[in-house]
Amino acid sequence: EAAVTQSPRNKVAVTGGKVTLSCNQTNNHNNMYWYRQDTGHGLRLIHYSYGAGSTEKGDIPDGYKASRPSQENFSLILELATPSQTSVYFCASGADWGGAIYTGQLYFGEGSKLTVL
Amino acid sequence: GQQVQQSPASLVLQEGENAELQCNFSTSLNSMQWFYQRPEGSLVSLFYNPSGTKQSGRLTSTTVIKERRSSLHISSSQITDSGTYLCAMEPGTGYQNFYFGKGTSLTVIP
Repeated sequence: EAAVTQSPRNKVAVTGGKVTLSCNQTNNHNNMYWYRQDTGHGLRLIHYSYGAGSTEKGDIPDGYKASRPSQENFSLILELATPSQTSVYFCASGADWGGAIYTGQLYFGEGSKLTVL
Repeated sequence: GQQVQQSPASLVLQEGENAELQCNFSTSLNSMQWFYQRPEGSLVSLFYNPSGTKQSGRLTSTTVIKERRSSLHISSSQITDSGTYLCAMEPGTGYQNFYFGKGTSLTVIP
């Protein structure tokens, strides 16, 4: 069973503080993603990565950085957190098109609830 | 950005009734998926369905790519089916990125 683990699961931060959300996957997937979910907006893509060392901007990257130091780990970094970044954040992984382990599916972590006061 | 429209936004069923959830896409798509979001928030992939019909138990997904739509049929609904159903499309731009609809909230009552 594909496994994606996020930490922390819950975080309260202060405005202007730095927040790092971590994601680890044991699926050996090249592709990893960070989404945020807000009422009325659904899931929106923040950053994604195609492998260790790569990060790409998604639809709403402003105020966020990402880091992919290894195949397994993908972090989302809020250098200066703001109350508008209060949300639930989901990490996901997926295999490359046509690869040996490709199933077309995305596998999600349990989510990280962030509250910025 | 990519537009994914889901309908209905919410639905209440009596246990045993059937449901049809719709997903429409405003741009061409390469593939799509259906997800179930549990009431506590975790997401589960139900179907990766780039085209045609797939069935798993009481769930059936049908995708017609040239019509830019997909449906999820739930038969003989159960209370445990309650939650939010999300569809997501991959536009085939060369990158495997999925764009999500806002979901259909399903409540099944006794």
